[in-house]
Amino acid sequence: GNSVTQMEGPVTLSEEAFLTINCTYTATGYPSLFWYVQYPGEGLQLLLKATKADDKGSNKGFEATYRKETTSFHLEKGSVQVSDSAVYFCALSARIFNKFYFGSGTKLNVKP
Amino acid sequence: EADIYQTPRYLVIGTGKKITLECSQTMGHDKMYWYQQDPGMELHLIHYSYGVNSTEKGDLSSESTVSRIRTEHFPLTLESARPSHTSQYLCASSESAGNIQYFGAGTRLSVL
Repeated sequence: GNSVTQMEGPVTLSEEAFLTINCTYTATGYPSLFWYVQYPGEGLQLLLKATKADDKGSNKGFEATYRKETTSFHLEKGSVQVSDSAVYFCALSARIFNKFYFGSGTKLNVKP
Repeated sequence: EADIYQTPRYLVIGTGKKITLECSQTMGHDKMYWYQQDPGMELHLIHYSYGVNSTEKGDLSSESTVSRIRTEHFPLTLESARPSHTSQYLCASSESAGNIQYFGAGTRLSVL
């Protein structure tokens, strides 16, 4: 079956610290992988995506690389800001029926 | 920027009332989804639609119902609301051939 596992939060960092949020997946076939971000009181916004092995998605200083050999898609950012405080969801899309599988979300708190 | 709208944003109602949560998108997407998001942040798919007159139940059993008589509109109805229905409800859509899901801002429902 298909599933996504991401690290539990909350993750608390000081401004300008390095961020890693781990995400691993199980999937049949060759899924696309995504990171979404949810700011307080809002819906989910697409942060970045990767559609095949070794692809690197990047946006707003965040990066994640599709690693087929380790079935991982870890989110990284070199220097976090207070405005990055949000909940981050890892997800995969099974190509058949365009169904999404979301991780349970990781809350990030960045302190000044 | 995705154009998907949910109304109302917040709703507080009494037990036994009938309610309809509205979701509309202007992107012409065939596929639409309803998710229930619990306080622990996890997303649960409760309904989805592949197109007009197509609706399916999702992974989480829900007492709500949906309809899809127009491509752009995917309302969710609760015939008799109960406190256990208190949650955040997120609507999403995607292109038929693509695989990014675009989310609305959500409706936060409280049933007293």
